[in-house]
Amino acid sequence: GAGVSQSPSNKVTEKGKDVELRCDPISGHTALYWYRQSLGQGLEFLIYFQGNSAPDKSGLPSDRFSAERTGGSVSTLTIQRTQQEDSAVYLCASSTRLGGLFFGEGSRLTVL
Amino acid sequence: AQSVSQHNHHVILSEAASLELGCNYSYGGTVNLFWYVQYPGQHLQLLLKYFSGDPLVKGIKGFEAEFIKSKFSFNLRKPSVQWSDTAEYFCAVRSFMNRDDKIIFGKGTRLHILP
Repeated sequence: GAGVSQSPSNKVTEKGKDVELRCDPISGHTALYWYRQSLGQGLEFLIYFQGNSAPDKSGLPSDRFSAERTGGSVSTLTIQRTQQEDSAVYLCASSTRLGGLFFGEGSRLTVL
Repeated sequence: AQSVSQHNHHVILSEAASLELGCNYSYGGTVNLFWYVQYPGQHLQLLLKYFSGDPLVKGIKGFEAEFIKSKFSFNLRKPSVQWSDTAEYFCAVRSFMNRDDKIIFGKGTRLHILP
């Protein structure tokens, strides 16, 4: 596609359930980022994939969070045993090796 | 680790006023610098970026930013704001410290322009 695509756009789940968020980056972009956006907290870095290098997971807030990127393209962010504090907008962005970021529309997660 | 500070969390201006939003970062080596904007209900868009060369960078919609290496700053400016500039503005930095080239963001500045 022409831009970064994220799904679902909205997800409401119950506390304790697992959720998967998907990101389809711009074709040819080697870098893929996940950020979390919540009110007053700006964009919190979660994880960074660059080509075939090991991902930078330094921003993942707990071991309930994980992400993978298959075939250097689509990425899935998984949150296990969701908690209310996980409620936020999860943003995916992609770029060329050292270019500027192109963002998706985000996935709004609400944990009840 | 690199950090990015945006000191103004919420700015309110009248139309035609001049704007300057502060951005400071902590790592003094080679950096790439960005300003992104998020209009209400829309996704983040790139306003401007600095990689090298002229430290005064021109962006879209009349915005500009100046990289001052000695001050670790990359402030965003616009001489005369419009109501349509109401949005949230994010500064971001890519540094190359210890081969860490990921981009991190500040907490954002909410700009509200009064008509």
